[in-house]
Amino acid sequence: NAGVMQNPRHLVRRRGQEARLRCSPMKGHSHVYWYRQLPEEGLKFMVYLQKENIIDESGMPKERFSAEFPKEGPSILRIQQVVRGDSAAYFCASSLDNYGYTFGSGTRLTVV
Amino acid sequence: QKEVEQDPGPLSVPEGAIVSLNCTYSNSAFQYFMWYRQYSRKGPELLMYTYSSGNKEDGRFTAQVDKSSKYISLFIRDSQPSDSATYLCAMRKTGFQKLVFGTGTRLLVSP
Repeated sequence: NAGVMQNPRHLVRRRGQEARLRCSPMKGHSHVYWYRQLPEEGLKFMVYLQKENIIDESGMPKERFSAEFPKEGPSILRIQQVVRGDSAAYFCASSLDNYGYTFGSGTRLTVV
Repeated sequence: QKEVEQDPGPLSVPEGAIVSLNCTYSNSAFQYFMWYRQYSRKGPELLMYTYSSGNKEDGRFTAQVDKSSKYISLFIRDSQPSDSATYLCAMRKTGFQKLVFGTGTRLLVSP
């Protein structure tokens, strides 16, 4: 029973490029969440999705960031025209219901 | 002022000690409280999940919530070197899935 799978584990992008982060939730989980963790800071909520729907995107920056969770396939967090400040660890989590999440191991994005 | 405050540590203790980790919060609407453990370069792992005020025990771990003081605690008994990690408190409001995290306390348990 695989956990939450995120890929890639490490991603290096030059300023101005696009970053695509993928998340496959645990089997049977229909709720997906994305969080960002900056050095010396706690995790910050970005977005909550269910299949084909964005439920809460109150933590998403207004520009350059988007997220989707299609009917088939993984959830994708997309960052366009990356800047150095986007360098962080991005964690995806999934849940079956309103209980605690299960987190993936994260994608560490470095913008050079 | 942050919604959730947590001392970053590090907190260093000898093996076998009782560890106390704490968070304070400002929003009285928080009803669900969690503690996560995060090893270096890994994702957070749920340790304890409690609703409203009270205590919850699971093995060597005890979670306490005092809503009147807006204060939550995690106690670890008989601490082990394998407990060395960062401990994050998190909380959410009823009807909302968004978790608000503390910055985490780094715990070091020496043999």
